[in-house]
Amino acid sequence: GDSVTQMEGPVTLSEEAFLTINCTYTATGYPSLFWYVQYPGEGLQLLLKATKADDKGSNKGFEATYRKETTSFHLEKGSVQVSDSAVYFCAPGGSNYKLTFGKGTLLTVNP
Amino acid sequence: ETGVTQSPTHLIKTRGQQVTLRCSSQSGHNTVSWYQQALGQGPQFIFQYYREEENGRGNFPPRFSGLQFPNYSSELNVNALELDDSALYLCASSVGGEGKETQYFGPGTRLLVL
Repeated sequence: GDSVTQMEGPVTLSEEAFLTINCTYTATGYPSLFWYVQYPGEGLQLLLKATKADDKGSNKGFEATYRKETTSFHLEKGSVQVSDSAVYFCAPGGSNYKLTFGKGTLLTVNP
Repeated sequence: ETGVTQSPTHLIKTRGQQVTLRCSSQSGHNTVSWYQQALGQGPQFIFQYYREEENGRGNFPPRFSGLQFPNYSSELNVNALELDDSALYLCASSVGGEGKETQYFGPGTRLLVL
């Protein structure tokens, strides 16, 4: 079945630092790839997505590129803010019906 | 446009009891998926309903069951509650019964089993 490996957290950065959270996946066929964000005590919010190879998803300064050859979808942001502190989940969505999540990466941004 | 809503927000039950959680899908969506998220873990897929039929199921026992109604809202029922059922239960709605489609999540129901 599908699986995802995410960078182990927690990740602690200072405000305005560069962020990378690595994500690699295994999936049958050509899945869509998603990043979701979960703020404390809340549900999951879609951050960005990409539906085919070489697509770049972007939102709120975050970017991730669908790399089929390396089966990766790394999340990046050039300058993080305190408000970006949250748990980030990478999830492939395949031709079956479900999203597959890893454990997530906790990001803490200090002022 | 109304997003995905869930009720109740919090619930406390005792071991052996039964619980029903509810989810209203986003307008125009015909698919609801349910996930269980234990503390400190990622969400785990329970099952999905597409046009009122179960479309797929994860590794959860039969005491986890569900329904989808003609308006595409959904219920998750859990019988014979166990302590390990304590978790955040998330529902997500989408269009079409495929994982490739974007799933939009509700705020979740936090269940505590004592």
